[in-house]
Amino acid sequence: AQSVSQHNHHVILSEAASLELGCNYSYGGTVNLFWYVQYPGQHLQLLLKYFSGDPLVKGIKGFEAEFIKSKFSFNLRKPSVQWSDTAEYFCAVSPFTDKLIFGTGTRLQVFP
Amino acid sequence: SAVISQKPSRDICQRGTSLTIQCQVDSQVTMMFWYRQQPGQSLTLIATANQGSEATYESGFVIDKFPISRPNLTFSTLTVSNMSPEDSSIYLCSVVEHDTEAFFGQGTRLTVV
Repeated sequence: AQSVSQHNHHVILSEAASLELGCNYSYGGTVNLFWYVQYPGQHLQLLLKYFSGDPLVKGIKGFEAEFIKSKFSFNLRKPSVQWSDTAEYFCAVSPFTDKLIFGTGTRLQVFP
Repeated sequence: SAVISQKPSRDICQRGTSLTIQCQVDSQVTMMFWYRQQPGQSLTLIATANQGSEATYESGFVIDKFPISRPNLTFSTLTVSNMSPEDSSIYLCSVVEHDTEAFFGQGTRLTVV
C-alpha cells in the first residue's frame, strides 16, 4: 500500500537554527510531492510542490525541498527558522493528480 | 486560489446521533474530497465527491456511515452517522485546482461524547 513516513514527530528549535524534516514515501510509479503547513488555528496551506524538473524546489517563506528519487525522499529544509514558522508540517504524495496521501505530520516549535 | 468554507467549525455530539458538515467553495470544481484527521494521526481520505454521481469511498469507509451529497459544483455535505467516540476527529473538505494544487477548508472539529 502507498504510504508516507515523516520521521520527526516533534521538533523543537531556537530561532536562526537550521531545519530539515524528513519525508519518505512508498510508491513505485510517478508521483507528485507536496509539503503542506498548518499554522495554529489556520487551515492547511501549500508550502511547496514537486511535479517534475529540477529536484530542488523552492517554496514560500524561504522553505525548499529536495526530491531524491533513488531514496524515495522529499525532505523539507530551511536554513534559518523563525518563531513564526511554528506550525505542523505535512508531507503528501499524489500518485494521481487528485488524491493525496499524507504523512503523520511534524510539529515544529521555534523558540525566540 | 479556491476559498473553502466549512460549517460547523466544531461540534460536540452525543453518541448515536448524526452530524452533517457543509462545504462551500467559491468556484466551480469537478471533484471535492473529504478527509479525516484523527487525534495524533495523519489526514486520511474518506471519499471523493463528484457532482452528479455517487461518491467514491476509500477502503475502510462506507456510504452508510459517511453519506455524501454533491448537489452542484460548489457545494458538498458529509454526514457522520450513528456517531461513536471513535468518530471524534477533524473533518476537512478539499478541492483541487488546475489539476495540481489542493485547497482545504478550515476543518470541522467533532467531539463525540
